[in-house]
Amino acid sequence: GQQVMQIPQYQHVQEGEDFTTYCNSSTTLSNIQWYKQRPGGHPVFLIQLVKSGEVKKQKRLTFQFGEAKKNSSLHITATQTTDVGTYFCAKGSGNTGKLIFGQGTTLQVKP
Amino acid sequence: GAGVSQSPSNKVTEKGKDVELRCDPISGHTALYWYRQSLGQGLEFLIYFQGNSAPDKSGLPSDRFSAERTGGSVSTLTIQRTQQEDSAVYLCASSRDRGITEAFFGQGTRLTVV
Repeated sequence: GQQVMQIPQYQHVQEGEDFTTYCNSSTTLSNIQWYKQRPGGHPVFLIQLVKSGEVKKQKRLTFQFGEAKKNSSLHITATQTTDVGTYFCAKGSGNTGKLIFGQGTTLQVKP
Repeated sequence: GAGVSQSPSNKVTEKGKDVELRCDPISGHTALYWYRQSLGQGLEFLIYFQGNSAPDKSGLPSDRFSAERTGGSVSTLTIQRTQQEDSAVYLCASSRDRGITEAFFGQGTRLTVV
């Protein structure tokens, strides 16, 4: 129903390797947001995607919104130790007002 | 204020006592959200406010939980007769508009029920 499913739950990579987390919904999304939570910190907004097939880049981070607006991904190229944290996708609705988060993907980077 | 402010930052309470958590959102933000995060877990949606109204209270875990918002600004989350399973970090966030603009989070209140 209202859930967004995020995979994988955990990912351990060697520094320099790439990383991808996926967010899936059974219903069409009006928008998808991505947040990062560092260990011991609070979630911080990264980006919002609204359009079908949208791709946005922030330095080594690439965000995609699926053509059907039911899935999204976050890809990090050449991970660094500063990328450590939990990445959440969140679906927002202007109609219901809710902002519902996925379970998150926790990224560990080995130096 | 410059950001979302939550108080207290830490609260230790005895089982059965009532607690009140406060959230001071960014000035002018109409939407305010409460989430609960247990250790190593995701963000569990509790309730959101649009102005002073809470259109959807379905996320509140039980009738021991209640929340209010006054003046379209400060919100309080009250937990009555606390139980050990209520131990978690309670996060508040605000956004300029509901569900469609970025949410800014406070540092959270870490609640420990002993």
